[in-house]
Amino acid sequence: NAGVMQNPRHLVRRRGQEARLRCSPMKGHSHVYWYRQLPEEGLKFMVYLQKENIIDESGMPKERFSAEFPKEGPSILRIQQVVRGDSAAYFCASSPPGRTKETQYFGPGTRLLVL
Amino acid sequence: DAKTTQPNSMESNEEEPVHLPCNHSTISGTDYIHWYRQLPSQGPEYVIHGLTSNVNNRMASLAIAEDRKSSTLILHRATLRDAAVYYCTLGGSQGNLIFGKGTKLSVKP
Repeated sequence: NAGVMQNPRHLVRRRGQEARLRCSPMKGHSHVYWYRQLPEEGLKFMVYLQKENIIDESGMPKERFSAEFPKEGPSILRIQQVVRGDSAAYFCASSPPGRTKETQYFGPGTRLLVL
Repeated sequence: DAKTTQPNSMESNEEEPVHLPCNHSTISGTDYIHWYRQLPSQGPEYVIHGLTSNVNNRMASLAIAEDRKSSTLILHRATLRDAAVYYCTLGGSQGNLIFGKGTKLSVKP
C-alpha cells in the first residue's frame, strides 16, 4: 500500500506565477489535510477536504490560495500570483473515513521556492 | 483549539532511554494525543497516539498523566536514527493537527 504521494517535490516559481501542488492520499483514505511549514517552524494547518468538499479552510490565507479534492484524481493546492513569503514546505496528510481524530499519514512535502 | 508546550531541545546518549515531555493543560475530553517526528527535509512520521491509557508500540511508549494535562514520549533505547524534531500534537475541532515548534532531539554516540 503506497503512502501519501506529493508532487512535485521541489517547485521554483517567479513572483506572480502560479504554483500547483498535488497530493494523492493513501489508498482508501478520503480525508486530506494540507499544512504549511516555514523554516524552523512547526506545521500550520491550512485546509481540510473530503472528496468534492471543503470541510475546514480556516487556516487558508483569504486571497490567492485555493484547494480542491475532486471525485477523481489528486487533491490540488493552488497558489496564484506567488510572492516570496509563500516560500515554504507544503505537506499533505490523509486519514481514513470516519477516523478524523486519529492518525494522519504525511507525504514527503513540496518545497516551494519563489524567486 | 488546545495547544501543546514542549522543551525546545534535548540531548541523549546512544542506547539510553529518552523521555520527551509535553504539556497540554487545555486538552478537551475527546482530543487524542499524537506524537510525530520529523527528520530534516522529510514529512512528519507518525510515532504513537493515545487517548487516556498508556500505549506501547514498536517505536516508543506513551505515558499519559491521569488528568491528561501532560504526556511523555519514551524512547527506550535511543539510536542515532532517532535524532529528529518530535512534535506532540492534539486534534483540532475538525481533526486537523495543531503543531507547536516541537523538541529537537540530539543523540550522541
